[in-house]
Amino acid sequence: DGGITQSPKYLFRKEGQNVTLSCEQNLNHDAMYWYRQDPGQGLRLIYYSQIVNDFQKGDIAEGYSVSREKKESFPLTVTSAQKNPTAFYLCASSTPSGHRNSPLHFGNGTRLTVT
Amino acid sequence: ILNVEQSPQSLHVQEGDSTNFTCSFPSSNFYALHWYRWETAKSPEALFVMTLNGDEKKKGRISATLNTKEGYSYLYIKGSQPEDSATYLCALIGAGGTSYGKLTFGQGTILTVHP
Repeated sequence: DGGITQSPKYLFRKEGQNVTLSCEQNLNHDAMYWYRQDPGQGLRLIYYSQIVNDFQKGDIAEGYSVSREKKESFPLTVTSAQKNPTAFYLCASSTPSGHRNSPLHFGNGTRLTVT
Repeated sequence: ILNVEQSPQSLHVQEGDSTNFTCSFPSSNFYALHWYRWETAKSPEALFVMTLNGDEKKKGRISATLNTKEGYSYLYIKGSQPEDSATYLCALIGAGGTSYGKLTFGQGTILTVHP
């Protein structure tokens, strides 16, 4: 079955360390996205990529970095510059037509705890 | 950043009750609207993608309407069942400025259906 795989499900890191969250999809989707969820808030867009080797900042990109070297993969690095990294992170993808007409497909998320 | 408001924040109903909740957005900046259902321990699942004023969509006992002129969408659940318990997310694609082409989520409505 096609889908989006995020790993790991839970991640624990010490403050000051960079950490990379994995996101892999086999849906043949061109566009991929990273969202963050905090309690009491809606999903907020961190970065998105509409095609391989290209990506754009979302609304809260500071302290994060991404790469899109392969169509299937869109890893997110949470750097030590991110002031409040503890959160739930969701990866998503959509078809080339974009999400005006097509919905997002989501992974199961990674819960990151930084102490 | 686009302002997408969902109400109520949470809702408790009895099995068999019909219920509805609201997504409000700035009518001048509309491009498309998505509804998602997010069950605990699962990934968000798309319910509807709506683009036209007056759109009505239905999926089983769940339906949605869209009014782009006044800036709202309603989600209805007829004869709620315990398996309908989830967070329902509304998301808007903006039509201009920094919101253009990006999906902005509301905070969600948490629905609990009691047997």
